Amino acid sequence: NAGVTQTPKFRILKIGQSMTLQCTQDMNHNYMYWYRQDPGMGLKLIYYSVGAGITDKGEVPNGYNVSRSTTEDFPLRLELAAPSQTSVYFCASSTQGRHEQFFGPGTRLTVL
Amino acid sequence: AQKVTQAQTEISVVEKEDVTLDCVYETRDTTYYLFWYKQPPSGELVFLIRRNSFDEQNEISGRYSWNFQKSTSSFNFTITASQVVDSAVYFCALNTGTASKLTFGTGTRLQVTL
Repeated sequence: NAGVTQTPKFRILKIGQSMTLQCTQDMNHNYMYWYRQDPGMGLKLIYYSVGAGITDKGEVPNGYNVSRSTTEDFPLRLELAAPSQTSVYFCASSTQGRHEQFFGPGTRLTVL
Repeated sequence: AQKVTQAQTEISVVEKEDVTLDCVYETRDTTYYLFWYKQPPSGELVFLIRRNSFDEQNEISGRYSWNFQKSTSSFNFTITASQVVDSAVYFCALNTGTASKLTFGTGTRLQVTL
């Protein structure tokens, strides 16, 4: 099992550009999450999903969108990138009821 | 609302010293889970332990031990005989509710030197 994979690892965007951060898990987990980690801070939840077709906002959803068409994939879309979105983005997944989350390696995004 | 406080921003110790990382949490839920994650310099997040609110038994895993006290809302993490490889940022996290959303503390950076 590869676990949780994220692409790309690094990306530099210009202000106003858009992009999609990819996340895939092969553990058949129902629950998936997107977090961002700003320098010197803990992780903050952006969006989460409890199953295919179901998504909900987390603590910091503004400027982002998600979709969950399959159990495996949970892409995060940034529209009109802003410097405030410079961060490291982590995708995670968990089984229903187990609560332990498995994290991907992260995507380091810089918006200039 | 849920909150996790890690008051120690950074700790420096010399190898072989014992070190305790503090974690204080706030929640009104009676059922919850507490976690510790390690983030080494390479950046990934490594799960260390999960503890549920009904189990206050302390746990030991090798050089790691955890002390959970509901009376003080604390879930502290001790590394015995620290090693350079323990250098990392350690996060405490709280999980409540059915969607398993995690609330993270701001982390404690541990630096272990020779």
